[in-house]
Amino acid sequence: GAVVSQHPSRVICKSGTSVKIECRSLDFQATTMFWYRQFPKQSLMLMATSNEGSKATYEQGVEKDKFLINHASLTLSTLTVTSAHPEDSSFYICSARLSTGSGELFFGEGSRLTVL
Amino acid sequence: KQEVTQIPAALSVPEGENLVLNCSFTDSAIYNLQWFRQDPGKGLTSLLLIQSSQREQTSGRLNASLDKSSGRSTLYIAASQPGDSATYLCAVRGRSGGGADGLTFGKGTHLIIQP
Repeated sequence: GAVVSQHPSRVICKSGTSVKIECRSLDFQATTMFWYRQFPKQSLMLMATSNEGSKATYEQGVEKDKFLINHASLTLSTLTVTSAHPEDSSFYICSARLSTGSGELFFGEGSRLTVL
Repeated sequence: KQEVTQIPAALSVPEGENLVLNCSFTDSAIYNLQWFRQDPGKGLTSLLLIQSSQREQTSGRLNASLDKSSGRSTLYIAASQPGDSATYLCAVRGRSGGGADGLTFGKGTHLIIQP
């Protein structure tokens, strides 16, 4: 199947700093990618839709100035957590959908963010 | 609003057994249903995707069925192995509910295969 790569897999930062997480589709082009947040023992919570060449669409309750999303190319979307606080500590996962065929979603390996 | 329920929430069985994981959804107007596996601290691995027009999909020891009219899907794992231990998530892509990705996830079944 298609491969989606996330980097970094783990990151620890101090409060007040910004952290960038990358999501790449390695062997296909993705005009749309999705960013999720997952709390322990919970399912995924969709945060936003990343659209190549246009602004991201955020789900209700997600602060767009807090979680900056950039989708500058057909294979790369980035999520930047700005002015991170300990409550932002979580597991962040991205996904990309094949633009043709089945519409199957492929997920990255996730990024564990810990804010001290 | 679409709701997806997975039963059981947790399951522990001896190695070698065949087992069935269940997923039910409230709105049958779906495009497809996808089963995922998630290992601790990892992302989701797509196992099987069943389009709404299909009844089942098979991959190796895995078989997923879909009964759209009754709002049910099952994931059958044959000859279970300790390496099958993970959380299995069911997600429905439908015309109602879900986020912009169109998906509504179940909370998952945490599976442990005892050696």
